[in-house]
Amino acid sequence: QITLKESGPTLVKPTQTLTLTCTFSGFSLTTSGVAVGWIRQPPGRALEWLAFIYWDDDKFYSPSLRSRLTITKDTSKNQVVLTMTNMDPVDTATYYCAHWFKNLGYFDCWGQGSPVTVSS
Amino acid sequence: DIVMTQTPLSLSVTPGQPASISCKSSQSLLHGDGRTYLYWYQQRPGQPPQLLIYEVSNRFSGVADRFSGSGSGTDFTLQISRVKAEDVGVYYCMQSLQLPLTFGQGTKVEI
Repeated sequence: QITLKESGPTLVKPTQTLTLTCTFSGFSLTTSGVAVGWIRQPPGRALEWLAFIYWDDDKFYSPSLRSRLTITKDTSKNQVVLTMTNMDPVDTATYYCAHWFKNLGYFDCWGQGSPVTVSS
Repeated sequence: DIVMTQTPLSLSVTPGQPASISCKSSQSLLHGDGRTYLYWYQQRPGQPPQLLIYEVSNRFSGVADRFSGSGSGTDFTLQISRVKAEDVGVYYCMQSLQLPLTFGQGTKVEI
């Protein structure tokens, strides 16, 4: 059974860097085709894809946020970390990580989400 | 970027009645491999999204058969044959033909 859980601060100040960790089980990020993605959702608004990291360390980012995002993995800990620099109140959202398999083309399992508020 | 446009943005339905949500993409989601990269997610209040339909019309594991998807090219529809109270939530279409992945604005279904 695949599970994912996001963790990180619930409150960050403007201009600070946000670091979120996704801890997963039930799959390995060393298996060919597997990836973990990050998606966010501002309160009452739609979903926005942020980034992927694949089993082979290939990384993809949303073009609109590319300059602010970094995604990394630690396969020994079954974790994926997303950092977002220069946080702004418009970045207030629930941040989700999810399991992706390249040949399927969809997120099949999601974490419960990590709410983040950006405020001074 | 591929723009996904859903209509309506909200829908009030009587239990037992059908519901239909439209999703239009700004370009065809048909890939050269013959697959159409269009998906539907349900997000119940306070919950993460859950996959309902993959590749236009295939129900994901465990999804009730009252949910069905149809369409081709740029025009897609999610139908709920007989709405139940547990179907309350927001429904999103998503394309994964190309990066960036993009979602529709969401359709809120209320009873």
